[in-house]
Amino acid sequence: DTEVTQTPKHLVMGMTNKKSLKCEQHMGHRAMYWYKQKAKKPPELMFVYSYEKLSINESVPSRFSPECPNSSLLNLHLHALQPEDSALYLCASSQVQGLNQPQHFGDGTRLSIL
Amino acid sequence: DQQVKQNSPSLSVQEGRISILNCDYTNSMFDYFLWYKKYPAEGPTFLISISSIKDKNEDGRFTVFLNKSAKHLSLHIVPSQPGDSAVYFCAALGSSGTYKYIFGTGTRLKVLA
Repeated sequence: DTEVTQTPKHLVMGMTNKKSLKCEQHMGHRAMYWYKQKAKKPPELMFVYSYEKLSINESVPSRFSPECPNSSLLNLHLHALQPEDSALYLCASSQVQGLNQPQHFGDGTRLSIL
Repeated sequence: DQQVKQNSPSLSVQEGRISILNCDYTNSMFDYFLWYKKYPAEGPTFLISISSIKDKNEDGRFTVFLNKSAKHLSLHIVPSQPGDSAVYFCAALGSSGTYKYIFGTGTRLKVLA
């Protein structure tokens, strides 16, 4: 069982829709991450939150908007996405950002843009 | 430019034998390395890590070896089991300030019963 929970598991949306991906962890971790993974490719970092503040934005288009309402929750708001944004979106967490430690991943949300 | 490479996209091994997965990196600033296993429809699961101050770390059936001069690490699984069949990613972390994982392209391991 994963300790990082992502909802929904699957999402199909049109290019004009607005939707949100949710991620939750109760391990007391203070760093949370969003990754995007295309088929047969490694995960690519999108955003890092450290102590609920945005720490790293890997030049992600503004149609992706992250939010960290509290230390346990991380959202990714989606608006006006493109078909090439179809991918697996993974959330991860670690105790803090910056120490040599593993990140714990959720099972991801598989997003399809019509 | 791929800083972390796994040159074997797939590997098949007989059950009970050793599986050796390889990973090469180019950035000498990387100082922490990890291996993750990924099953279909699941997120990556952390397996084992190694700091650059070590050359070997062992956890049960899994051992990671690091050769800093060659910029090479490997994961040994002994004995291999059918449940080990998955995609394995190596990842590197540098202390240059970004604290960003760089993942390799993955190796699909198939353990044959």
